[in-house]
Amino acid sequence: RKEVEQDPGPFNVPEGATVAFNCTYSNSASQSFFWYRQDCRKEPKLLMSVYSSGNEDGRFTAQLNRASQYISLLIRDSKLSDSATYLCVVNSRAAGNKLTFGGGTRVLVKP
Amino acid sequence: EPEVTQTPSHQVTQMGQEVILRCVPISNHLYFYWYRQILGQKVEFLVSFYNNEISEKSEIFDDQFSVERPDGSNFTLKIRSTKLEDSAMYFCASRGGQYTEAFFGQGTRLTVV
Repeated sequence: RKEVEQDPGPFNVPEGATVAFNCTYSNSASQSFFWYRQDCRKEPKLLMSVYSSGNEDGRFTAQLNRASQYISLLIRDSKLSDSATYLCVVNSRAAGNKLTFGGGTRVLVKP
Repeated sequence: EPEVTQTPSHQVTQMGQEVILRCVPISNHLYFYWYRQILGQKVEFLVSFYNNEISEKSEIFDDQFSVERPDGSNFTLKIRSTKLEDSAMYFCASRGGQYTEAFFGQGTRLTVV
């Protein structure tokens, strides 16, 4: 089983719609979780950290389910500018604080 | 806003040559990383560095690779005897704490010919 897994997509989303996708992780000792956004040939940029109780930042909502070992990202009222690859990142202190990336979920928002 | 800077942005090198990729992390950060991303593939962990030593490295990070923090500000990745398959985007990242988010540089695109 891969350390961090994501549905690669693409998720084709009409502008204004809601899209949600998950990421599963295999290491139950993982401590911190993040969603990053990556545009084509650019560096990953932090979208949001994921907290145990779930958190929201504008149109973006992240959830953590430790029992089932997955995190989720929901995007409401999708904008054309939300088109990107969304990367799930998991931190393991036991592994030298390594940040492990999922393969990314590609989202395409269309008019 | 503080940022991680990497130089050069693009490097072309001949197979078998040595390259040094340079990074200036955010000044008060303590944890440093190198990642690589082959075109169209996922971001792969190479190495993490803390307290002036390697804290974790991947299978990719073999004897061909080394890291240094020579002067307290720069953080370098050296690739000896480059191979065609080393062609990729290399990202440096830093973070202030062990649970905080990481900030990435814009990357160095390495092309081995």
